[in-house]
Amino acid sequence: DSGVTQTPKHLITATGQRVTLRCSPRSGDLSVYWYQQSLDQGLQFLIQYYNGEERAKGNILERFSAQQFPDLHSELNLSSLELGDSALYFCASSEYGASYEQYFGPGTRLTVT
Amino acid sequence: QKEVEQDPGPLSVPEGAIVSLNCTYSNSAFQYFMWYRQYSRKGPELLMYTYSSGNKEDGRFTAQVDKSSKYISLFIRDSQPSDSATYLCAMRGYAGGTSYGKLTFGQGTILTVHP
Repeated sequence: DSGVTQTPKHLITATGQRVTLRCSPRSGDLSVYWYQQSLDQGLQFLIQYYNGEERAKGNILERFSAQQFPDLHSELNLSSLELGDSALYFCASSEYGASYEQYFGPGTRLTVT
Repeated sequence: QKEVEQDPGPLSVPEGAIVSLNCTYSNSAFQYFMWYRQYSRKGPELLMYTYSSGNKEDGRFTAQVDKSSKYISLFIRDSQPSDSATYLCAMRGYAGGTSYGKLTFGQGTILTVHP
């Protein structure tokens, strides 16, 4: 167990809908990262927050947004969902802003029908 | 073309075999090289990391980085059925700029070690 928690574990929703994925980092970790894992694209970096501020951005779609709250938990919001958004979404955390060792949560499996 | 290329396999070997996993990359800014292991239905976990070129050994695992060839390897000696997992290479440049803590992953190689 990495100490990173993600909810929900599974999510099934319809196209056009909006969902929110939640992540609680390990105790003491200030950085939160979001990744998307799909069969064709592999594990892709979406966005990083450090102590409440956005620090790095990957190929995150405009329909997706994230934030990190004062208690350091983070939420990833996905809107206007499409079939292609079906994937595993992982949250990871690290103590510092640029750590090579990131601790991954168990992931949220999103299915868009 | 992807920044990091990794043969997805799958790779199937008998118990006790030496396993070689490899990645190539195109971004010369990468300085930190990691191997993550992902068991089925779990998140990835860090196995080893190497800074710049060279070798690093940890038990049955050896990581090699050849920056001149933009090629990294992970060797597993005396492989065990418990090593069956997906192995992902990951890379990062220096902190700073827009990349900061971003890791770029390979596609992952599915490894099965059968008894």
